[in-house]
Amino acid sequence: AQKVTQAQTEISVVEKEDVTLDCVYETRDTTYYLFWYKQPPSGELVFLIRRNSFDEQNEISGRYSWNFQKSTSSFNFTITASQVVDSAVYFCALSEAIQGAQKLVFGQGTRLTINP
Amino acid sequence: DTAVSQTPKYLVTQMGNDKSIKCEQNLGHDTMYWYKQDSKKFLKIMFSYNNKELIINETVPNRFSPKSPDKAHLNLHINSLELGDSAVYFCASSLRTGGHTEAFFGQGTRLTVV
Repeated sequence: AQKVTQAQTEISVVEKEDVTLDCVYETRDTTYYLFWYKQPPSGELVFLIRRNSFDEQNEISGRYSWNFQKSTSSFNFTITASQVVDSAVYFCALSEAIQGAQKLVFGQGTRLTINP
Repeated sequence: DTAVSQTPKYLVTQMGNDKSIKCEQNLGHDTMYWYKQDSKKFLKIMFSYNNKELIINETVPNRFSPKSPDKAHLNLHINSLELGDSAVYFCASSLRTGGHTEAFFGQGTRLTVV
């Protein structure tokens, strides 16, 4: 069965610090997709990134970067020079395709608080 | 323009009542979903419809009945509401292209059963 573990329940850092959110996944599929979503205090879910299992290159988008390592089944997310607006709950998810639909299996989420 | 919109945003109701949550997407997607987020923030899929056909049904009590009149709409009807149904319900949609495109979520409906 698919499983995603975000072991860090809560993280609190001071603004401008770098912070890494961990994500470990389990799947028997050889082809799979991983996602990160952000849920700010306003409550909506915002898509951040999708990565397929064949692409192990790290991804950088501004202050955000993602480190995908198949050898350790991890897909970690780093925010560089954190800002107060980065405060949110972050979810890592694994996608399972079912007849054209996708079932997102989410981790428990990591609540990130950036203090001024 | 809102891509995935849900109504209402907040819903407070008494135990035993029947209520509906509506969802509409204007992205042209053919797959829609309902997810439930509990009080601990845990997100879990409930249903998925692909072009009005039920594809995923994750052992949800049959008091919950999704209805898809067309591929742009997926409504959730809940009968005989219970205290444990209190949660945030998210509608989402995605393209049916191998099943691994990103899902776009609505803003959520916070249901409180008293």
